[in-house]
Amino acid sequence: DAGVTQSPTHLIKTRGQQVTLRCSPISGHKSVSWYQQVLGQGPQFIFQYYEKEERGRGNFPDRFSARQFPNYSSELNVNALLLGDSALYLCASSFSGTTNTEAFFGQGTRLTVV
Amino acid sequence: DAKTTQPPSMDCAEGRAANLPCNHSTISGNEYVYWYRQIHSQGPQYIIHGLKNNETNEMASLIITEDRKSSTLILPHATLRDTAVYYCIVRVAKVLDAGNMLTFGGGTRLMVKP
Repeated sequence: DAGVTQSPTHLIKTRGQQVTLRCSPISGHKSVSWYQQVLGQGPQFIFQYYEKEERGRGNFPDRFSARQFPNYSSELNVNALLLGDSALYLCASSFSGTTNTEAFFGQGTRLTVV
Repeated sequence: DAKTTQPPSMDCAEGRAANLPCNHSTISGNEYVYWYRQIHSQGPQYIIHGLKNNETNEMASLIITEDRKSSTLILPHATLRDTAVYYCIVRVAKVLDAGNMLTFGGGTRLMVKP
């Protein structure tokens, strides 16, 4: 079975540009979350989507937005890129409808802003 | 979610047991202890979780103290491939919680040496 897939794997953007990152969850998983991991730190939660609705949001500016599609895939958009947005962006999916379950992470998209 | 405290780094000899401690002194009765690890340049990987009883699976054992204020992840026979950053996460188990909204700390960088 395919795991969580993210695209692209690497990306270089210029300050002020916009970027879209994509994530396909494991088949059957209806919830997707996004994380930002700056070098040397643990992942920081950005968004959680469940059944196409935003269910959680971390402490990130409005330049960050996301959406989930009917097939449960998701996109993360970042506008007006700053140098500080350079990071590994991780997507995680999990099975829903239980009180405790594990998250499955993709390999991430490495974004470099120059 | 309760905050966790972990040592920033630990070493372990190959073939020996690796014991990774985690302090979560403010944990509530409905909060689970989860462990994930992140091998360099990969997404985090779920290891194990528990509420109050000790747990064991094919990867590791989780020992939770009786007062639930601390826990230890045990890798019984560490290999070089276990070199990674290990994250201890305390998370409330909510109804229909998708399980992928996690608060990561700095983790413990485990170095397994030959």
